[in-house]
Order: sequence, then structure tokens, then C-alpha cells
Amino acid sequence: SQKIEQNSEALNIQEGKTATLTCNYTNYSPAYLQWYRQDPGRGPVFLLLIRENEKEKRKERLKVTFDTTLKQSLFHITASQPADSATYLCALDPPGASGSARQLTFGSGTQLTVLP
Amino acid sequence: EAGVAQSPRYKIIEKRQSVAFWCNPISGHATLYWYQQILGQGPKLLIQFQNNGVVDDSQLPKDRFSAERLKGVDSTLKIQPAKLEDSAVYLCASSLLGTGAGELFFGEGSRLTVL
Repeated sequence: SQKIEQNSEALNIQEGKTATLTCNYTNYSPAYLQWYRQDPGRGPVFLLLIRENEKEKRKERLKVTFDTTLKQSLFHITASQPADSATYLCALDPPGASGSARQLTFGSGTQLTVLP
Repeated sequence: EAGVAQSPRYKIIEKRQSVAFWCNPISGHATLYWYQQILGQGPKLLIQFQNNGVVDDSQLPKDRFSAERLKGVDSTLKIQPAKLEDSAVYLCASSLLGTGAGELFFGEGSRLTVL
């Protein structure tokens, strides 16, 4: 069955450093991968989407890579700030039959804490 | 632009009671999703609607859960009778696209506690 694994433990880093979060998947051939941010008591908020034919995507201080050979995505936050503290979720969508509805499968998330 | 609206935000019930959650998606979004998020886990899809029709309800426990989307806009998720393991946050999301790449817009969620 399909499986998504994110960093199993919470990640603590010092302000100003680069945070790197990992999303690994098995038994999947996703057409694209998305990253969301979730704050306590709130719904997830979309951050970035990367397609299977893209190696890297950037948005301001965020960078996502997608290695379909390793079956892995890395999510980087450069010059991290305490305001970046949150849970980050990766979500994958496997390719379906033409015209079929797509749906996202989420990982369990990585809780990031940026220490001042 | 208004976001996805959900109510109630919090609900506490006894096991075997019933509960209903309401969702109003972003205007113009044809696709609506209900996800269940148990503490410490990622959201798990329960049901997906495209306009009025159900696209996927394979993970919906149909013996106790039901959902409907009237007139292709608002949706209601009902649990009857509730079990202890139904304690979770129920997230509603909507998207412009039902197929292909597209971000999901989530509501704030409805937190259910079953005692």
C-alpha cells in the first residue's frame, strides 16, 4: 500500500539557520507533490506545489526539491524565523486514469520549532 | 475573498450521540473534501464531492458517517452514532480543480470530542 513518511521527530533549529524537512514515499508514483503549513488549531495552508518533471521550486525563503528516483522531497526554509514555527505537511497525488478525480494523501507532518 | 467556513468550531458529545458539521466552500469551487485529522496525524480523506456528486467515499465509515452536498455548494457531515475513536478535527477543503494539480483551501476545522 502507499506510504508517506516525514521526519519522525520534531525539528528544532536556531533562528537564521536553514531548516530542512524530508518527505519520503513508497509504492507511489505521484504526479505532483504539495507542501502545507499548519498552525495549532488551524487548517493547513498551501505553500508550494512541485510536479514530477520539476527538480526544484522556489518561493521567497522556501525551496522544494523532488527526486522521483529517490522517492523523496526536501523542503527548505532559509534564514528561518521564530514565526516559521509550525507543522509542515507533505501531500502527494498519484496519477490516476484519465479524467479521474484527484485527491491528496497527506503525511503525518513535521513539527518545526525555530528558537530565537 | 472569503475562505472556507466551518461550524461549529468545537463540539463535545457522549458516545452513541449524533453530531453534524457544516461547511461552506469558497465561491466557485466545484470540488469539496472532508478530511479527518486525529491528533498527531495528517489529514485523512473521508469524502470528495465534485459539484453535487460523490467522487470518492471509499474511506468513509458508511455505517456511521454520512455526508451530502446540496445544490453543489454547502455540505454537511454527520456522525451517528459517535464512537470514542471519532474524536478528531474534521476539516473541510475546497478547490477549483477536481482533476490535475490544484491547491486545497482548508477551513479552520471542527474539533470533536467524544466522551
